Amino acid sequence: DGGITQSPKYLFRKEGQNVTLSCEQNLNHDAMYWYRQDPGQGLRLIYYSQIVNDFQKGDIAEGYSVSREKKESFPLTVTSAQKNPTAFYLCASSMLSGNTEAFFGQGTRLTVV
Amino acid sequence: LAKTTQPISMDSYEGQEVNITCSHNNIATNDYITWYQQFPSQGPRFIIQGYKTKVTNEVASLFIPADRKSSTLSLPRVSLSDTAVYYCLVVLLTGGGNKLTFGTGTQLKVEL
Repeated sequence: DGGITQSPKYLFRKEGQNVTLSCEQNLNHDAMYWYRQDPGQGLRLIYYSQIVNDFQKGDIAEGYSVSREKKESFPLTVTSAQKNPTAFYLCASSMLSGNTEAFFGQGTRLTVV
Repeated sequence: LAKTTQPISMDSYEGQEVNITCSHNNIATNDYITWYQQFPSQGPRFIIQGYKTKVTNEVASLFIPADRKSSTLSLPRVSLSDTAVYYCLVVLLTGGGNKLTFGTGTQLKVEL
């Protein structure tokens, strides 16, 4: 069935290591987004993309990188340059129109030790 | 940039109607107003979207005055399961397409 899938659900990494979070959608959506959520806080936009091979920085892009080689996939790499990587990461997708509905994955909880 | 402002938290009791108001003074002509609901450790879920006047679905109603500088999400007869964070978004059409920006949301707590 259609949807947006994030994997893994839980991820542990050592400090200083890069880690890549997966996000796949089969909804044929043009736009995809990555958000970060810290405990008790709202969602902050990291990166977003409207078409293949193009993406834009969000509000907190430093220490993160993305790629959009396929319409269905929008992986996020948390680099060692990210000072506080431990957080809940959410991926979303939507159509490109004004009255759009965004569909979210179930999230990846990243813990860096 | 149409920033949104909502109350940080609200409390209610089962069976009551809850109204959450969001301010978006700088909303642009082509912007839509969208509300999402989020439970702990889950991704947000779309509730309702509108452009002006009133929109109603099986879950909620959305009231938007003529000047569109605010909107009110109305949840009829809430239950314990409506305890969640509610986000108001103004969907921005930037030069690079949609940019979905979430605010801090409103934590709704429903009690018996």
